Amino acid sequence: KAGVTQTPRYLIKTRGQQVTLSCSPISGHRSVSWYQQTPGQGLQFLFEYFSETQRNKGNFPGRFSGRQFSNSRSEMNVSTLELGDSALYLCASSSGVTGANVLTFGAGSRLTVL
Amino acid sequence: GENVEQHPSTLSVQEGDSAVIKCTYSDSASNYFPWYKQELGKRPQLIIDIRSNVGEKKDQRIAVTLNKTAKHFSLHITETQPEDSAVYFCAVSRQALNDYKLSFGAGTTVTVRA
Repeated sequence: KAGVTQTPRYLIKTRGQQVTLSCSPISGHRSVSWYQQTPGQGLQFLFEYFSETQRNKGNFPGRFSGRQFSNSRSEMNVSTLELGDSALYLCASSSGVTGANVLTFGAGSRLTVL
Repeated sequence: GENVEQHPSTLSVQEGDSAVIKCTYSDSASNYFPWYKQELGKRPQLIIDIRSNVGEKKDQRIAVTLNKTAKHFSLHITETQPEDSAVYFCAVSRQALNDYKLSFGAGTTVTVRA
């Protein structure tokens, strides 16, 4: 059974640019969540999508957005990049159902903003 | 959002000894408490989880205890081995009312000395 796949694994951008990250969940999982991991702030929740709808959102500015497609694959976009956006972006997939919502993480996309 | 405090931030133990990590949370509606292990350069991986209807759960050398009244839960690792060296994160979630996000503790870096 394939795990959670994130692309690209590494990328370097400059301030002001925008970036799109992709996440393919485990087959059958309908929920995809995104987290930002930094040494200073730890793991911070960005948003969660379930059946193409954003079900929950963390405390990040509007520059951070996402979407989910009918095949449950998800993308997140960060516009007008800032130096502080440098981080490991992790996505996690799950069933999205109470009592069985165990999150499995992908390997992450490491973004460096210069 | 949910406030999760995790202690200690670093823990060094002799191989064969036990390690204990404690987390406290603020939201009494939280009912799901997973622990993730993240080795250097790797993705976080679920090692054990507990739901609010049980007080203790054990899986080989690891165990988790939950005290809902006091709003704290702990990870216990017995007979530690060098491969237990990693960063451990506790997390909490409501798992209901369309709120499935995980709020993470800041992490504990565990070093097992041979």
